[in-house]
Amino acid sequence: GQNIDQPTEMTATEGAIVQINCTYQTSGFNGLFWYQQHAGEAPTFLSYNVLDGLEEKGRFSSFLSRSKGYSYLLLKELQMKDSASYLCAVRDSNYQLIWGAGTKLIIKP
Amino acid sequence: ETGVTQTPRHLVMGMTNKKSLKCEQHLGHNAMYWYKQSAKKPLELMFVYNFKEQTENNSVPSRFSPECPNSSHLFLHLHTLQPEDSALYLCASSQEDGGASNEQFFGPGTRLTVL
Repeated sequence: GQNIDQPTEMTATEGAIVQINCTYQTSGFNGLFWYQQHAGEAPTFLSYNVLDGLEEKGRFSSFLSRSKGYSYLLLKELQMKDSASYLCAVRDSNYQLIWGAGTKLIIKP
Repeated sequence: ETGVTQTPRHLVMGMTNKKSLKCEQHLGHNAMYWYKQSAKKPLELMFVYNFKEQTENNSVPSRFSPECPNSSHLFLHLHTLQPEDSALYLCASSQEDGGASNEQFFGPGTRLTVL
């Protein structure tokens, strides 16, 4: 079966750095997405990786290793507004998104 | 604002009621999706419409009935639901044109409670 694993919850301190990991086992691979979802709001697109390596976008970076079925989202200079759930999703061979359950990130002052 | 709107935002219904959820996208996309989001579970894809044609139905019970009258509007008709159907129902859209990311844009969701 298809599976996306990510930690359920993480806690970090304002101003620090946090890395949220995602491992996947899917039938085919056509890209990996990270979304941010604040409580009670819509998920919003953060990043897309289809080739191995690091994609940097401001304070957020996303890394992919296709051979290891692994990705991480790196958040730097954490701010209180970064408290949210972070969803990892992989597009499979049928071009459908397979979603992880999300990682709830709690930022403490 | 993501360019995808959903109404109502909250809905409480009894098991014998009939109601409909509405989604509208203002992005000119050609694909629309219904997802179910339950607490601490992955998003569950329910239905996909591409160019108004239903291309995916992930074994969803018949008490959920989608309708896509045009590429901008999507409905989810609900009847004789069960309490376990209580969840957040998210609508999304994307432009499927063989491009690179084709990320999905989500609406704010309808929080459904079935009594």
